[in-house]
Amino acid sequence: DTEVTQTPKHLVMGMTNKKSLKCEQHMGHRAMYWYKQKAKKPPELMFVYSYEKLSINESVPSRFSPECPNSSLLNLHLHALQPEDSALYLCASSQLVVNTEAFFGQGTRLTVV
Amino acid sequence: GNSVTQMEGPVTLSEEAFLTINCTYTATGYPSLFWYVQYPGEGLQLLLKATKADDKGSNKGFEATYRKETTSFHLEKGSVQVSDSAVYFCALRPSASGSARQLTFGSGTQLTVLP
Repeated sequence: DTEVTQTPKHLVMGMTNKKSLKCEQHMGHRAMYWYKQKAKKPPELMFVYSYEKLSINESVPSRFSPECPNSSLLNLHLHALQPEDSALYLCASSQLVVNTEAFFGQGTRLTVV
Repeated sequence: GNSVTQMEGPVTLSEEAFLTINCTYTATGYPSLFWYVQYPGEGLQLLLKATKADDKGSNKGFEATYRKETTSFHLEKGSVQVSDSAVYFCALRPSASGSARQLTFGSGTQLTVLP
């Protein structure tokens, strides 16, 4: 199984809503990532978890709150988002060894209205 | 720091044409190099990779060779198809062990193949 599964695929939320994005992998990867991708741009790293601990936060606003409940799951909690937060949110995972690739999910297309 | 410079797009080719997308990088040590492809409305898929100098990655007719002397990892395909239309990202991952080493992406190249 080389899949990273993200749910939901599409999400429309108001600026006062609270929602969560979910990501799951069963490849035994101990590093998991959240990326944000705007149209026609490369993915931008938001957060990195290593061994279920947050190791990198790329100065992301606090309205985005990551959570890693266990080694297979990664959540991104959303609250009080702005329209400019509308984007494709990608989850990825990888092994913590050299020369290995990251596997990406299909993404959640988020629209903030 | 690490960086990846990728050929500006968009690139438009006719079916069966030869494709080259240039990619050069800046990094210390010996990073791993990747090409990812993103089809419309989808996530990123690994296309190919190379982990040391002179390695050639290949997949689905695409090839790229890790050139340490020119710090390059150009993507090539001898005969493109309409189904190859997508955005292609060159990326590197540092070689340091022990911690999560995130990818550094190039800006992406939009490829459109016309029938």
